[in-house]
Amino acid sequence: DQQVKQNSPSLSVQEGRISILNCDYTNSMFDYFLWYKKYPAEGPTFLISISSIKDKNEDGRFTVFLNKSAKHLSLHIVPSQPGDSAVYFCAATLGTSYDKVIFGPGTSLSVIP
Amino acid sequence: DAGITQSPRHKVTETGTPVTLRCHQTENHRYMYWYRQDPGHGLRLIHYSYGVKDTDKGEVSDGYSVSRSKTEDFLLTLESATSSQTSVYFCAIRGLAGNNEQFFGPGTRLTVL
Repeated sequence: DQQVKQNSPSLSVQEGRISILNCDYTNSMFDYFLWYKKYPAEGPTFLISISSIKDKNEDGRFTVFLNKSAKHLSLHIVPSQPGDSAVYFCAATLGTSYDKVIFGPGTSLSVIP
Repeated sequence: DAGITQSPRHKVTETGTPVTLRCHQTENHRYMYWYRQDPGHGLRLIHYSYGVKDTDKGEVSDGYSVSRSKTEDFLLTLESATSSQTSVYFCAIRGLAGNNEQFFGPGTRLTVL
């Protein structure tokens, strides 16, 4: 049973528009959330994160929103660029001693020029 | 660049043979992780290490073992490879920023025939 879900396997967006990637989780004990970006034939790279004590975190074109009551977070990319085309993984941590990270299945974003 | 290398980058092997994948880091990080990436599952933790000779199981550890005799090296062994272990394997280290960020290696594509 997946604890972190990304229900949209793929998303296509026009260049310059907003991309919204969604993520849902089941464990209310998760206390930290991260987004990773992955290009083909490369390892994932960290994009942005948010602590459970916040509801928003912004970094340039990327903003992550957290709704704890709904156990939902989203990643907004504005404006979307062709170079943003990649697979995006949502991840959550329990903050245990060794900080294991639970990843979602990923959403493949295509930004169309 | 977090200084993480994986070897080999590609390997084809036959069912029943043992396989060892190597992860090497130059950052002297304490925490190291092995994940496998499969379509529809995202990244799933196989084993992790919190120090030399200190390792623990992740969510998909059956059929895998690990060893860490030096800080910089984390080895993943498939005792007797099966076709279900055909996957892309990623090694990661945990960063020091306190946000649970992980830095990933480039991956090893393993095919078990």
